[in-house]
Amino acid sequence: GAGVSQTPSNKVTEKGKYVELRCDPISGHTALYWYRQSLGQGPEFLIYFQGTGAADDSGLPNDRFFAVRPEGSVSTLKIQRTERGDSAVYLCASSLLRGGTSEQFFGPGTRLTVL
Amino acid sequence: AQTVTQSQPEMSVQEAETVTLSCTYDTSESDYYLFWYKQPPSRQMILVIRQEAYKQQNATENRFSVNFQKAAKSFSLKISDSQLGDAAMYFCILIQGAQKLVFGQGTRLTINP
Repeated sequence: GAGVSQTPSNKVTEKGKYVELRCDPISGHTALYWYRQSLGQGPEFLIYFQGTGAADDSGLPNDRFFAVRPEGSVSTLKIQRTERGDSAVYLCASSLLRGGTSEQFFGPGTRLTVL
Repeated sequence: AQTVTQSQPEMSVQEAETVTLSCTYDTSESDYYLFWYKQPPSRQMILVIRQEAYKQQNATENRFSVNFQKAAKSFSLKISDSQLGDAAMYFCILIQGAQKLVFGQGTRLTINP
């Protein structure tokens, strides 16, 4: 596709369940980012991939959160034992190059609701 | 630590008028980039304008321009001839060295017809 896509667009789950959120970056983009946007707030950085490896995962809030990008393209954000506080919009972005010289293109996000 | 502050949670402007959104930031580095992104109700973040810190000239993109004051660590966005389609949440963003974007809290802009 022409842009970054994210699936599902909305996910409702129960406390304690496991969820996976998927991101399809723009073809050829080597850098991929995950952000979390709580209601009424600006997005917060979670993790950044350069190729297949996580170059910076300092934003992951705890060990319930994990992300992979096994082939350097699609990425999956995994959340174990979900809590109500995990409810947020999870945004994915990709860029051709690293750093500020390259625009980050965002997907529409996945709205996660934990009941 | 890097921080970005947008002190205006909400702004409104009459269609065709000019509006300025404020942003201040804090960083210990001299080399960084600043951005304004907009987020309409569709949630899709869209780049509005970008400024390299080493450039003294203020960036301009059609009706959008910035006032970059490096010493004051200020980066305001001016929207001229406001249009209904400009209504969105606007985020001021800093990126420095590492790849992660640091977002401000956002300013919700309403355009009154």
